[in-house]
Amino acid sequence: DTGVSQNPRHKITKRGQNVTFRCDPISEHNRLYWYRQTLGQGPEFLTYFQNEAQLEKSRLLSDRFSAERPKGSFSTLEIQRTEQGDSAMYLCASSPMGQGVFGANVLTFGAGSRLTVL
Amino acid sequence: AQRVTQPEKLLSVFKGAPVELKCNYSYSGSPELFWYVQYSRQRLQLLLRHISRESIKGFTADLNKGETSFHLKKPFAQEEDSAMYYCALSGRGEKLTFGTGTRLTIIP
Repeated sequence: DTGVSQNPRHKITKRGQNVTFRCDPISEHNRLYWYRQTLGQGPEFLTYFQNEAQLEKSRLLSDRFSAERPKGSFSTLEIQRTEQGDSAMYLCASSPMGQGVFGANVLTFGAGSRLTVL
Repeated sequence: AQRVTQPEKLLSVFKGAPVELKCNYSYSGSPELFWYVQYSRQRLQLLLRHISRESIKGFTADLNKGETSFHLKKPFAQEEDSAMYYCALSGRGEKLTFGTGTRLTIIP
C-alpha cells in the first residue's frame, strides 16, 4: 500500500461535461474525506464517509456533485454539468477510526486531482 | 461555526532566525488543533497536533484557549522549512477546517 491514490491527476473538460474522480484510500482506513482547494485558499471540506456511509456533506456540495463509496473501499466524486467555477484541486484523504474525546483524526492526503473547466 | 485565521499569506525569515506562524481560531467548544505542511511538489501532510504536545522537526505549537491561538514556532529556521503551512481545527463534527495558509520562505 503506497498511500492514498487519486485518479486522474489532471482533467481538462469543457463546460457542461460530467467528470468523475476516483480515490483509493489506505486499505485499513475506514474514513474517507473529499476536500476542494482553489488558488490561494486552504482545503475546503466537501464530504466524508465512514465505511460506506456518507456522514456529512458541506453546503459547498451542490446537487451537481455526488460522492459514493459503495463497498467502503474506494470512492468516486462526480461533478455533473461542470462550470468554470468548479476548476480546482480535489483532494482525497483517509484516516483510521477516530481516537480521543472528540474523535479527531489524522488525515493522510492523496496528491489530488486537478480539474480545469474551459 | 468554526473558523481558522492565518493572518500572514507570506512570511520570509533568514536562516537561523526564529520563526512564528500565527493561527487564530473561532469555535464554541473545545477544539483539536493541527498544523499541516505542504513542501514543494509533495502532498499535504500532518506536521503536529496539539494533544500530542511534541516537537516535530524542531517546531512546537501551544494551544492558548484564552487568546484562541495556536501559533507555530521554531527557534532556528532551516532552509528545508520553506513550505506552505496550514493551521486546521477539528470540532465535534470531526471534519477538519483549514486556514488559508502561510507560505514560509527561508532566506539563506
